[in-house]
Amino acid sequence: DAGVIQSPRHEVTEMGQEVTLRCKPISGHDYLFWYRQTMMRGLELLIYFNNNVPIDDSGMPEDRFSAKMPNASFSTLKIQPSEPRDSAVYFCASSLAGGLYTDTQYFGPGTRLTVL
Amino acid sequence: AQSVTQPDIHITVSEGASLELRCNYSYGATPYLFWYVQSPGQGLQLLLKYFSGDTLVQGIKGFEAEFKRSQSSFNLRKPSVHWSDAAEYFCAVGSTGGGNKLTFGTGTQLKVEL
Repeated sequence: DAGVIQSPRHEVTEMGQEVTLRCKPISGHDYLFWYRQTMMRGLELLIYFNNNVPIDDSGMPEDRFSAKMPNASFSTLKIQPSEPRDSAVYFCASSLAGGLYTDTQYFGPGTRLTVL
Repeated sequence: AQSVTQPDIHITVSEGASLELRCNYSYGATPYLFWYVQSPGQGLQLLLKYFSGDTLVQGIKGFEAEFKRSQSSFNLRKPSVHWSDAAEYFCAVGSTGGGNKLTFGTGTQLKVEL
């Protein structure tokens, strides 16, 4: 299995531009998670999906952030407009059934976003 | 709300020496606890997890962790560190009801001296 795939691996953009991050979960996994990692705040859960439906988006910082999962094999995290404080590494993770007792979250390699 | 504290931001050990990384959690019920490792430029990889039963948990790469309820701790240990263990280590606690969130600690950066 190829694991969780994220693209792009690196993104540099200017303030005010729209940024779209992409994630392909492991085939067959029912849950998908988006995290943000910064030096100041560490690793934060932004949103997660179960069977393509958003379950908890309480970690999404503000309305500039949106996430979608149009099908079981693809999800996007969009920032519009982007700001320098959005600079971070964004991780996508997936798990088989979401039950912590039996399932592990598998992380992608991350997208390093720099907003100038 | 659940929380995780990793009191050591950086730790340096010599190759071959033993290692213990500290993790304290705050959670009302029996927690689900995890240790992940992140190598430079990589995503997080699960080392081990604790849900119930034996309080000493074995993981991959020769790591183990011990759950101590009385101390609210879940420290990670390795008897003999290898240079390839240099990475950042994250402790996390999972919710037991109403969701599948993981709350991560701030991480401990491990440096291994040859």
